[in-house]
Amino acid sequence: GAVVSQHPSRVICKSGTSVKIECRSLDFQATTMFWYRQFPKQSLMLMATSNEGSKATYEQGVEKDKFLINHASLTLSTLTVTSAHPEDSSFYICSAEPYSGNTIYFGEGSWLTVV
Amino acid sequence: DAKTTQPPSMDCAEGRAANLPCNHSTISGNEYVYWYRQIHSQGPQYIIHGLKNNETNEMASLIITEDRKSSTLILPHATLRDTAVYYCIVRVDQAGTALIFGKGTTLSVSS
Repeated sequence: GAVVSQHPSRVICKSGTSVKIECRSLDFQATTMFWYRQFPKQSLMLMATSNEGSKATYEQGVEKDKFLINHASLTLSTLTVTSAHPEDSSFYICSAEPYSGNTIYFGEGSWLTVV
Repeated sequence: DAKTTQPPSMDCAEGRAANLPCNHSTISGNEYVYWYRQIHSQGPQYIIHGLKNNETNEMASLIITEDRKSSTLILPHATLRDTAVYYCIVRVDQAGTALIFGKGTTLSVSS
């Protein structure tokens, strides 16, 4: 299947700082990329949908100024958690939808710990 | 909100078939049934999807009832590595439409 890669897989940052997570589709061009977060023992929660070259669409309750999403190319989307707080500690997962086909592929996820 | 209902947990003996049910009684005519699984601390893995016909691939089989109100994912010979949370999701086949996850079924395969 198609490959979606996230980096970093784990990151620890200090409270108040910003951290960027990258999501790349390695062997296909993605029309759309999606960002999720997942707390322990819970399901994935959709945060936002991003299309290349346009502003992301955020789900209700997700602060767009705190979770900045940039989809600069057809193979790269980034999520920046600004002014991170301990409650932002979570598992962040991206997924990508190829131009062709109707299957969505997920990255390996990125663990964020804010101390 | 998720439009599917799955049992919270199931057990299966290694080597036996695992049959995971999913109810989607409000499914629309243009919605596909997708199955993903998530092994602990990893991103979800695509398994299979279908519209109304039964589907089979190297990982699993998907059986969809004629009225499309329910489906069953079948892992023919479960192994310990199949222990995971399995998610059944209905989704319109339209570009830009996200997968919305419910709580899924935790499948535990034991020897």
